Amino acid sequence: GENVEQHPSTLSVQEGDSAVIKCTYSDSASNYFPWYKQELGKRPQLIIDIRSNVGEKKDQRIAVTLNKTAKHFSLHITETQPEDSAVYFCAALKTSYDKVIFGPGTSLSVIP
Amino acid sequence: KAGVTQTPRYLIKTRGQQVTLSCSPISGHRSVSWYQQTPGQGLQFLFEYFSETQRNKGNFPGRFSGRQFSNSRSEMNVSTLELGDSALYLCASRLAGDGYEQYFGPGTRLTVT
Repeated sequence: GENVEQHPSTLSVQEGDSAVIKCTYSDSASNYFPWYKQELGKRPQLIIDIRSNVGEKKDQRIAVTLNKTAKHFSLHITETQPEDSAVYFCAALKTSYDKVIFGPGTSLSVIP
Repeated sequence: KAGVTQTPRYLIKTRGQQVTLSCSPISGHRSVSWYQQTPGQGLQFLFEYFSETQRNKGNFPGRFSGRQFSNSRSEMNVSTLELGDSALYLCASRLAGDGYEQYFGPGTRLTVT
């Protein structure tokens, strides 16, 4: 079945630096890739997503890139701030009738 | 539009008891998925319901079951609770058809003593 790997599992950056989280998926039929941010004690929140017909998508300080050939996608956060500290989950989905497959998560700490 | 809601938010049960958790999806969303999250663990998929039918299932024992009502509200039941069932149970909803985006509820924190 579909599997999503995520690296690194933990990441510490200085405030103002960039952070990159990478995910790899196994099923080449996957065509939707969301990213979720979960702050401590809160629900996961959808922060950005990308479909397979797009190579890159940006929303202010966050961006996602997709490489379909290599079957990997990445989350980029620029000018990190302490409020970016959270666990980030990537996911993959083939069709709206399939279950969402989540990666194991990356704990990001932004040091002031 | 109101978000996904879950009740109760906190629950304490004794080993061997059973528990029922409830999830109300975003209006118009017909798919509801359930996840178990334990400390330091990721999002473990339990099952997904769509139009009152279980559409996808994870690798959990039969003690975990669910159902969905005609108004898309969903319930999850855990029978014969074990200490290891202590976790945050999250539900998430999305549109049917071309609805890819999935939105989570606040979760129910279950503690089994």
